Amino acid sequence: TQLLEQSPQFLSIQEGENLTVYCNSSSVFSSLQWYRQEPGEGPVLLVTVVTGGEVKKLKRLTFQFGDARKDSSLHITAAQPGDTGLYLCAGYEAGTALIFGKGTTLSVSS
Amino acid sequence: DTEVTQTPKHLVMGMTNKKSLKCEQHMGHRAMYWYKQKAKKPPELMFVYSYEKLSINESVPSRFSPECPNSSLLNLHLHALQPEDSALYLCASSQVFTVPYEQYFGPGTRLTVT
Repeated sequence: TQLLEQSPQFLSIQEGENLTVYCNSSSVFSSLQWYRQEPGEGPVLLVTVVTGGEVKKLKRLTFQFGDARKDSSLHITAAQPGDTGLYLCAGYEAGTALIFGKGTTLSVSS
Repeated sequence: DTEVTQTPKHLVMGMTNKKSLKCEQHMGHRAMYWYKQKAKKPPELMFVYSYEKLSINESVPSRFSPECPNSSLLNLHLHALQPEDSALYLCASSQVFTVPYEQYFGPGTRLTVT
């Protein structure tokens, strides 16, 4: 069974700080997705990375897929209170359902 | 349009009630999913439908009964639930199953079993 280890589990920072969330596995994924979820709402897809070494930017968010497609990171620059939420990484192996990491709960205070 | 809709938004039911959750998408997706999520935990897969046929049942108790009447609709019928079944129930869809297309989630139904 593939596992995705996500760290840190909880993160509480001040507005304006930078942060990085990590998603690691011992297995290779054909693609990896990052979601953000606010309390009481469904996860919202932020990005999908497919190619090893790929870097994608979404405003202040930078996503990277490891060269070996076993790990990924999400970096947020100058965090804002609106970034608060549960961040989930999820990986696909061909022929299986989406595998989720345990999530990172981010709290950004002003 | 990447919208998945779910009704109701909130549901409170007793342990002897029968209720249904509904999910709808109009993106032409042929794979639909039910997940259960507890607070601050990742979604747990319950069922996968592919081309309106049940492909995966993750050993879910029979008090949860899924149904896929057509390619746009997914239902989850609930009967004789337990208080520990209280959770956020999420529906999702993707173009097809077994290929890594993105999954799009609905807003969820917050279920409370009393």
